[in-house]
Amino acid sequence: GENVEQHPSTLSVQEGDSAVIKCTYSDSASNYFPWYKQELGKGPQLIIDIRSNVGEKKDQRIAVTLNKTAKHFSLHITETQPEDSAVYFCAVLRQGGTSYGKLTFGQGTILTVHP
Amino acid sequence: ETGVTQSPTHLIKTRGQQVTLRCSSQSGHNTVSWYQQALGQGPQFIFQYYREEENGRGNFPPRFSGLQFPNYSSELNVNALELDDSALYLCASSLARGVSEKLFFGSGTQLSVL
Repeated sequence: GENVEQHPSTLSVQEGDSAVIKCTYSDSASNYFPWYKQELGKGPQLIIDIRSNVGEKKDQRIAVTLNKTAKHFSLHITETQPEDSAVYFCAVLRQGGTSYGKLTFGQGTILTVHP
Repeated sequence: ETGVTQSPTHLIKTRGQQVTLRCSSQSGHNTVSWYQQALGQGPQFIFQYYREEENGRGNFPPRFSGLQFPNYSSELNVNALELDDSALYLCASSLARGVSEKLFFGSGTQLSVL
């Protein structure tokens, strides 16, 4: 089955700095890559996603890049703010067949932004 | 907020008991997926329901079962609870399969098995 590795497990930055979280996956047929933010006591919230036919996507301070050849993708957060502090999860989906809704998640990154 | 609601928010059970967790999907979504999130880990896929039928299952034993109702709400049932079943159980809804792969999660039910 699909295996997703996420690094780093913890990340501490100063307010205004950039943060980068990386994930690698094993199934080359995977074609949908979302990122989720989870705050304490809440469920994961979709913050950005990318499909395999796109190399990069940006939404204000958040961007995701995908390298299909190397099977890795990254989340970039610029101008970090204290409210960005949360646990971030990458996930991978192989669409089609019986795989609808079957996201495989990374282990999570605890991001702390210090004022 | 996603519009996905789960109940109850917290639950305490003892080993061997049975539990039912409930989920109401976001308006317009007819597909519901359930995930188990152990402390400090990413969510793990349990199964998905589409048009009231199970549409895919992860590596969970048969004592994990579910239902989807005509209004697209869903239940997760766990029989013969074990200590390792203690986790946050997340429900996620999405538009019809093949239309959108975006999943929207509820806040979860925290289950503690003693």
